Amino acid sequence: KAGVTQTPRYLIKTRGQQVTLSCSPISGHRSVSWYQQTPGQGLQFLFEYFSETQRNKGNFPGRFSGRQFSNSRSEMNVSTLELGDSALYLCASTPLQGAGGELFFGEGSRLTVL
Amino acid sequence: SQKIEQNSEALNIQEGKTATLTCNYTNYSPAYLQWYRQDPGRGPVFLLLIRENEKEKRKERLKVTFDTTLKQSLFHITASQPADSATYLCALDRGDSSYKLIFGSGTRLLVRP
Repeated sequence: KAGVTQTPRYLIKTRGQQVTLSCSPISGHRSVSWYQQTPGQGLQFLFEYFSETQRNKGNFPGRFSGRQFSNSRSEMNVSTLELGDSALYLCASTPLQGAGGELFFGEGSRLTVL
Repeated sequence: SQKIEQNSEALNIQEGKTATLTCNYTNYSPAYLQWYRQDPGRGPVFLLLIRENEKEKRKERLKVTFDTTLKQSLFHITASQPADSATYLCALDRGDSSYKLIFGSGTRLLVRP
């Protein structure tokens, strides 16, 4: 079974631009979560989707948004990029509908904002 | 405030010894706690999950304990190997059935040959 796939793996943007990151979960997994990882803050929860519905959202500004499609693939978007948005963005999927399961992470999308 | 803490300093041990990593939390009542391994530039990989009503969980050379009174989890790697060198992250839920995991900042383990 293929793992969680994230694209692109690396990208460089400039301040003010916007970016879209993509995540394909493991086949059969309907829950997708997004995390931001930085050296200073560690892994911070962004949002979680199940069956195209956002069930939980972290403490991030409205510039961060996401969505999930009917095939469980998910995208997240960051608008008006700031230098502080430079981070590794990780997507994770789980087969469980409820909370409490292990997360299967992708390799991440490393975003650099100049 | 709610906090989850892991040793920020790297743990440096000799091959063959037991590595013990600590995860402390405050102001949470988690239903479960998880441990992940992360290698540089890679996504975290799940290792073990322990529930609030479990004291100990084992998997091969790995052992996790969970003390909800002390609000602490210990993660042990016995007979450590250089290949065990990585950053280890603990994560817990908030105990509110949300789908959000709170991660510690991780402890880097270095196993010397």
